[in-house]
Amino acid sequence: DQQVKQNSPSLSVQEGRISILNCDYTNSMFDYFLWYKKYPAEGPTFLISISSIKDKNEDGRFTVFLNKSAKHLSLHIVPSQPGDSAVYFCAASDYGGSQGNLIFGKGTKLSVKP
Amino acid sequence: SAVISQKPSRDICQRGTSLTIQCQVDSQVTMMFWYRQQPGQSLTLIATANQGSEATYESGFVIDKFPISRPNLTFSTLTVSNMSPEDSSIYLCSVGDTSTDTQYFGPGTRLTVL
Repeated sequence: DQQVKQNSPSLSVQEGRISILNCDYTNSMFDYFLWYKKYPAEGPTFLISISSIKDKNEDGRFTVFLNKSAKHLSLHIVPSQPGDSAVYFCAASDYGGSQGNLIFGKGTKLSVKP
Repeated sequence: SAVISQKPSRDICQRGTSLTIQCQVDSQVTMMFWYRQQPGQSLTLIATANQGSEATYESGFVIDKFPISRPNLTFSTLTVSNMSPEDSSIYLCSVGDTSTDTQYFGPGTRLTVL
């Protein structure tokens, strides 16, 4: 049973508009969440993270929102750029991001069209 | 963040053979991990590579199939033993960074078993 789910395998957005990528989780013990971006033939690149004590974290064009009661998080990219086209993975952990098992979703492929 | 390299980047192997994948980091790190991404699936942790002691394996993964070495704080190897087509995956190493509380990934090794 998947503990982290990304229900949209793909998303297409126009350049300059907002991209919203969603992630749901089932394990209430998860207390730390991360987003990674992956280009073909490369490893995942860390984007942004959020602790369960927060409900929002911002870094430039990227904002992650966490709704603990709904066990849902989302990544907002504003404005979207063609270089953002990649596969985005949501990951969760029950003891931080550096020392334990990260549980990943299957990813959402984002295409940003010029 | 640490710079991580993996060798080989890809390989095609015959069933029944073994392949050793190397992971090199440009700085000393305490936590190193090995993940697998099977086609169409999410990344799954195989084991934590502990320096100076035996690796810690996740449920479903065993040392006889995936022996791991960690001779020092900058290097680790993962061997995929007695391979079958089901072992065809991308294998990735990662390192934990406590200052940012995240994991950084290598570029991955794409393995195809015929």
